[in-house]
Amino acid sequence: EVQILETGGGLVKPGGSLRLSCATSGFNFNDYFMNWVRQAPGKGLEWVAQIRNKNYNYATYYAESLEGRVTISRDDSKSSVYLQVSSLRAEDTAIYYCTRSGSSYIYFDYWGQGVMVTVSS
Amino acid sequence: DIQMTQSPASLSASLGETVTIECRASEDIYNGLAWYQQKPGKSPQLLIYNANSLHTGVPSRFSGSGSGTQYSLKINSLQSEDVASYFCQQYYDYPTFGGGTKLELK
Repeated sequence: EVQILETGGGLVKPGGSLRLSCATSGFNFNDYFMNWVRQAPGKGLEWVAQIRNKNYNYATYYAESLEGRVTISRDDSKSSVYLQVSSLRAEDTAIYYCTRSGSSYIYFDYWGQGVMVTVSS
Repeated sequence: DIQMTQSPASLSASLGETVTIECRASEDIYNGLAWYQQKPGKSPQLLIYNANSLHTGVPSRFSGSGSGTQYSLKINSLQSEDVASYFCQQYYDYPTFGGGTKLELK
């Protein structure tokens, strides 16, 4: 069974930083791309970042709205993916979901339960 | 970015009814479209990919169709467990989502 579990959310002051973690199991992590997607309270979904696998040289891609403030990384030995977000703003307040996609498709076939990030003073 | 316009934003339907949700892309996305269901307090779940392929375990009352810039999700014989928000997503380019449709029971 595919399992995806995010951790690391919480309350952060504006201008602060946060590192989200995503641990996975139940599939061959090395074969897949991993993504972060976020959802502001009561709002729609926004793709944040993607990291491809070793076959694609761990290439990374970011949403234009966040580029420069986010870094996605992965540790294949731990089947885990991470998201570092800096210079946090109130509008970054959202549930952050870790999602899986494949090398031949960029839809998200499995999602974690999400982790809440609140940016407030 | 490819813009996805989803309609309606909200929808009220009766049990057993057939429901259709539309999604329009700002340019041709060549069937690179997925649909997700999100129940209250839960994470989204994939329903449909490649515009018309049913994801594993999804009931057959869900179906997707369309091409070019126009796509739709149809739910036949609406069940109480289908009360949720539905989102489309294109993946022809960097992923973008529609604004969502909130489906309620009448």
